[in-house]
Amino acid sequence: GAVVSQHPSRVICKSGTSVKIECRSLDFQATTMFWYRQFPKKSLMLMATSNEGSKATYEQGVEKDKFLINHASLTLSTLTVTSAHPEDSSFYICSAGTTDTQYFGPGTRLTVL
Amino acid sequence: AQTVTQSQPEMSVQEAETVTLSCTYDTSESDYYLFWYKQPPSRQMILVIRQEAYKQQNATENRFSVNFQKAAKSFSLKISDSQLGDAAMYFCAYGVFGNEKLTFGTGTRLTIIP
Repeated sequence: GAVVSQHPSRVICKSGTSVKIECRSLDFQATTMFWYRQFPKKSLMLMATSNEGSKATYEQGVEKDKFLINHASLTLSTLTVTSAHPEDSSFYICSAGTTDTQYFGPGTRLTVL
Repeated sequence: AQTVTQSQPEMSVQEAETVTLSCTYDTSESDYYLFWYKQPPSRQMILVIRQEAYKQQNATENRFSVNFQKAAKSFSLKISDSQLGDAAMYFCAYGVFGNEKLTFGTGTRLTIIP
């Protein structure tokens, strides 16, 4: 199957700082990538759809100014958590799809102190 | 709007036995995909099996098979000869296309009893 990488796997930052998470499709091109947030023992919550060359589409209730998404190429999407606060601490997962399957990155655990 | 329901928050099975995880969904589409993903303690989401709605034949992948009942909007996962490595959260998901957003169920935590 296709491979999606995510970097970093873990990050700890101070409150008020910004953190960037990268998502790459390693062996296929993805015009669309997705960013999810997952709380402990819960399902995945879709945050936004990242579209190559255009603005991301955010789900209802997700602050677009806090969670900046850039999809600069067919293999890279980035999620920047701006002015992070402790309540932003979570597990963030990206995915990228071929026409019939979505593949997931290994996730990033963000801890905001 | 599409919804996916997994009614079993937790399941357990003896090693080497067979277990079935349930999933139902609601959609007005006629063509779509259904997926089972596994999330082990590492939290990496791993595709277990995929079913295209237009195919009547149930998908199989080694010890994993599905019972797809399109009219009933049911998509259960059967795991045969359960192994310790099968212990994980299992998520059922629905998508119109693979490269469009998926709708996930709430997950079923599967425990394998040695």
